[in-house]
Amino acid sequence: NAGVTQTPKFRILKIGQSMTLQCTQDMNHNYMYWYRQDPGMGLKLIYYSVGAGITDKGEVPNGYNVSRSTTEDFPLRLELAAPSQTSVYFCASSALPNTEAFFGQGTRLTVV
Amino acid sequence: GQQLNQSPQSMFIQEGEDVSMNCTSSSIFNTWLWYKQDPGEGPVLLIALYKAGELTSNGRLTAQFGITRKDSFLNISASIPSDVGIYFCAGRIQGAQKLVFGQGTRLTINP
Repeated sequence: NAGVTQTPKFRILKIGQSMTLQCTQDMNHNYMYWYRQDPGMGLKLIYYSVGAGITDKGEVPNGYNVSRSTTEDFPLRLELAAPSQTSVYFCASSALPNTEAFFGQGTRLTVV
Repeated sequence: GQQLNQSPQSMFIQEGEDVSMNCTSSSIFNTWLWYKQDPGEGPVLLIALYKAGELTSNGRLTAQFGITRKDSFLNISASIPSDVGIYFCAGRIQGAQKLVFGQGTRLTINP
């Protein structure tokens, strides 16, 4: 059972570089989310999607972009990496907005 | 801004002790979820609550959905070493489609 898969697991970026964090789920969930977790902190919602073609901002969307062209995939794009974006990024999905969200293993990103 | 206040931020207890943590908000929630995160892993669901007043158990864990729908608590009885980790409350505000998280409670157990 794959569930939610994130790639890469680790990445070091230089300031100003761009990258895409990949997230895919095989549970046919409509709802998908991107969170970031800073050291010793909780999870802050970056963007979420309620279905293919529909995305919306969370609490901390600045510096990020998302797309949802298919039900399975929800990539997160960083266009101009900044040190403040050093964090662990988690992707999650759920069948309905009020049901359990399943999380990926996370992507640990360092911007230097 | 922060919509969920989780406390305490950290706990240091002896093995065998009971643990209690809670989450409060000024908003009304229609779902409360409690997650545990082990180091290097994503959060894993422990208990889900969907009705005001609901009390649900999962082994030694018990959680309740507050009557006011603005709070929830999680109790762990007779703690064991594998209970170590970070516990998060999460919830869906009434009318919203996004899941928001508390700051987490870091549990440390002395054997």
